[in-house]
Amino acid sequence: DQQVKQNSPSLSVQEGRISILNCDYTNSMFDYFLWYKKYPAEGPTFLISISSIKDKNEDGRFTVFLNKSAKHLSLHIVPSQPGDSAVYFCAASETRANSKLTFGKGITLSVRP
Amino acid sequence: DAGITQSPRHKVTETGTPVTLRCHQTENHRYMYWYRQDPGHGLRLIHYSYGVKDTDKGEVSDGYSVSRSKTEDFLLTLESATSSQTSVYFCAISLGTSGRGAGELFFGEGSRLTVL
Repeated sequence: DQQVKQNSPSLSVQEGRISILNCDYTNSMFDYFLWYKKYPAEGPTFLISISSIKDKNEDGRFTVFLNKSAKHLSLHIVPSQPGDSAVYFCAASETRANSKLTFGKGITLSVRP
Repeated sequence: DAGITQSPRHKVTETGTPVTLRCHQTENHRYMYWYRQDPGHGLRLIHYSYGVKDTDKGEVSDGYSVSRSKTEDFLLTLESATSSQTSVYFCAISLGTSGRGAGELFFGEGSRLTVL
């Protein structure tokens, strides 16, 4: 049973517009959530995270929103740039002290110039 | 740069042969992980280690074993490779359980394994 779900396999947006990547989870014990970005032939790189005590975390063009009651989080990228084209993985763990991350399947984002 | 090196980066082998992938880190981090990435499955945890000779199973551990005899090296072994183990394997380290970077994983560049 998949505990972290990224139901949309791909997303295409125009440069300069907002990209919204969604993620749902089923395990109510998850307490810490992260987004990773992956380019082809490279390892995933950490993008942004959020603890369950918050509902929003912002870092430059990237904002993550968490809705605990709905078990839903989203990553907003504003404005989107062609260099943002990559696979984005949502991940979760039961505690920040435990780096055993459970990942979603990933979303391929394409930003059109 | 978290100082993670994976070897080999690419390997083609035949069904039934043993394969060992190596993850080497230069910064003495205690926590190390092996994940595999497959289309339609994302990243799945195979095994992890919380220290020398302290390892445990992850979500997809069947057919894999690991060893950690030194802090800097975490080895993943496929005792008898099968075609279903064709995948990209990523090693990761954690900076720790508290402070800046806690809870985050830093990944190596991956080892692409093809089992014919």
